[in-house]
Amino acid sequence: EDQVTQSPEALRLQEGESSSLNCSYTVSGLRGLFWYRQDPGKGPEFLFTLYSAGEEKEKERLKATLTKKESFLHITAPKPEDSATYLCAVLGAGGTSYGKLTFGQGTILTVHP
Amino acid sequence: EAQVTQNPRYLITVTGKKLTVTCSQNMNHEYMSWYRQDPGLGLRQIYYSMNVEVTDKGDVPEGYKVSRKEKRNFPLILESPSPNQTSLYFCASSSLGGGQFFGPGTRLTVL
Repeated sequence: EDQVTQSPEALRLQEGESSSLNCSYTVSGLRGLFWYRQDPGKGPEFLFTLYSAGEEKEKERLKATLTKKESFLHITAPKPEDSATYLCAVLGAGGTSYGKLTFGQGTILTVHP
Repeated sequence: EAQVTQNPRYLITVTGKKLTVTCSQNMNHEYMSWYRQDPGLGLRQIYYSMNVEVTDKGDVPEGYKVSRKEKRNFPLILESPSPNQTSLYFCASSSLGGGQFFGPGTRLTVL
């Protein structure tokens, strides 16, 4: 069974204080690892897809990286508008996992001015 | 505008009364999926479809049905809703292997 574990559960930062969120996973053949941002009461918003170990993607203050066991979402000099829940998900490729998307519990990020 | 739409956005119903939540996408995506989101349990996949007439169970399919007769539509059917199906439901779509675009959500309450 595919599993995704995100840490920490919650993270409070001061504006400008850089940090990283972790996503550890076990999956039967990885077809893709995804990062999403979710604001309260809204649907998740797609941020990045990573397909293979060593891959990196960047968007504004966010950078996602991938190894064979985990992914990191690095947030550089965050602003209050970066406050949200960040979700990680894996798309399986093997056996009964093919096509299934499994989400982690998310990290609630709060950035104080 | 590229989007995923869901209807209704809010629904209060009673136990046992069949209901359908519609989902439609205008991006010609092959992959569509339904999720429920509950406090402390996160997002859990109910059913997904990788193409027309092809559907598969996710992690929590019990009590739900889906169909994919057209590429753009993927309705979620609760034939006999129960209170434990009270939740926030999201529909999403993507190209195969791509990042998913989510709808705005349907908040369902079953009394």
